Amino acid sequence: AIQMTQSPSSLSASVGDRVTITCRASQGIRNDLGWYQQKPGKAPKLLIYAASSLQSGVPSRFSGSGSGTAFTLTISSLQPEDFATYYCLQDYNYPLTFGGGTKVEIK
Amino acid sequence: EVQLLESGGGLVQPGGSLRLSCAASGFTFSSYAMSWVLQAPGKGLEWVSAISGSGGSRYYADSVKGRFTISRDNSKNTLFLEMNSLRAEDTAVYYCAKATTVPGGMDVWGQGTTVTVSS
Repeated sequence: AIQMTQSPSSLSASVGDRVTITCRASQGIRNDLGWYQQKPGKAPKLLIYAASSLQSGVPSRFSGSGSGTAFTLTISSLQPEDFATYYCLQDYNYPLTFGGGTKVEIK
Repeated sequence: EVQLLESGGGLVQPGGSLRLSCAASGFTFSSYAMSWVLQAPGKGLEWVSAISGSGGSRYYADSVKGRFTISRDNSKNTLFLEMNSLRAEDTAVYYCAKATTVPGGMDVWGQGTTVTVSS
C-alpha cells in the first residue's frame, strides 16, 4: 500500500498567516491526490483535486501543488473559518490512503 | 441537491454484525464509484472500501477484507456495507462518499453513522 506522510501533524498560526502543509507519497502517484478539510463533528470537505485544481466553491486562498511524490497545500492568508484538520488522499491505486492529518490551531 | 444519507449504525457486541446503508439523491448514482471511509474516535480518516458504478469491481482495506462486504442497488440509489465479525477497533464514524471522475476526489460526503463495538 502507498503510504502518505503528512507534515506537520499540527501547527499554530494567526489570522492572515500563510500556511503550508505537505504530503509525501511512498511512491509516485502522478497527480492523483486530493486535499480535504474537516471541522469537528463534520464530514470532510474536498478542497483540491488532481493535486492542484480548486474544487468549485472553495476560496481561492487555498491552492495545491506537486506531482509524483511531493505535494503541498497552501493557505495564502489564514481566515478564522480555516481552523480545522486537513488531510491528503491518494487515489492512484487501491487501497486508497489518507495522510495522518494536520490540525491547524489558533496561535 | 446532491445528498448522501447514512443509516444503520449502532451498538453491537464483538463478533456481531451490522449493515450500513447510504441513500443517494440528486445525481445519477450508477455513474459513480462510491466509497466508505471511517474515523475512529479522535483519529484520522481511513478508507475502508470502494465499489465501481456498475458494482462489478470492489476494493477493500486489508483491515476489513474478508469481514466487510460492499454492495450497491442502483435501482434504489443505495450503497451498503455489510460488517461481520466486528471488533472493538471497528468502532468509528462511518462515512459514505461519492467519487469524482477526476483524480483525488470524493466530492460528496454523508453526515456519517456511528458504529460502536462493545460488550
